[in-house]
Amino acid sequence: AQSVTQPDIHITVSEGASLELRCNYSYGATPYLFWYVQSPGQGLQLLLKYFSGDTLVQGIKGFEAEFKRSQSSFNLRKPSVHWSDAAEYFCAVSPSGAGSYQLTFGKGTKLSVIP
Amino acid sequence: EAGVTQFPSHSVIEKGQTVTLRCDPISGHDNLYWYRRVMGKEIKFLLHFVKESKQDESGMPNNRFLAERTGGTYSTLKVQPAELEDSGVYFCASSLSAYRLAGYQETQYFGPGTRLLVL
Repeated sequence: AQSVTQPDIHITVSEGASLELRCNYSYGATPYLFWYVQSPGQGLQLLLKYFSGDTLVQGIKGFEAEFKRSQSSFNLRKPSVHWSDAAEYFCAVSPSGAGSYQLTFGKGTKLSVIP
Repeated sequence: EAGVTQFPSHSVIEKGQTVTLRCDPISGHDNLYWYRRVMGKEIKFLLHFVKESKQDESGMPNNRFLAERTGGTYSTLKVQPAELEDSGVYFCASSLSAYRLAGYQETQYFGPGTRLLVL
């Protein structure tokens, strides 16, 4: 069965500092990979996704993620965090084959930003 | 274009009562998904509709949960009778195409969720 691990439950960074949120997955083949963000009182918003091709993926709000097949990782990065980035971040995978649909999520990483 | 909408945003009910959650997907989206996050746990898949048909309901926890998608548009998720462990946030998501061949790239768009508290 596929699984997603986000090892950091809560991270606190200072505004302007760089950020890296970790995500590792366990799956037999290369899945499709996603990062979603949930701001307080909001729903899940798609930040970025990886299907194939260039392993460095750019997303919205200045985020990027790098797929590393050898490490089964898809870490999310941002060079300079803004106070509005405080939210909960979810890494998710879905199978890439035909006929498979459901997303498997990690437990989420809550990001706090210190002014 | 309107996103995925869910109603109500919050619901507080007593154990044994019935609650019905509603999801309106993005117009034209054939796929509709229900997910749930109970406190402290990860978001978990409940079921998937393709148009009006249930494609996969392997994540439904038990027969107290009933999902419908009449006419292939909006969907309802009924919990009857509700138990304490049903408390959590229920998310709905939709995606465009029903035909997923190998290599098709699907993106699911989520609604704001319904926060259910069973007392």
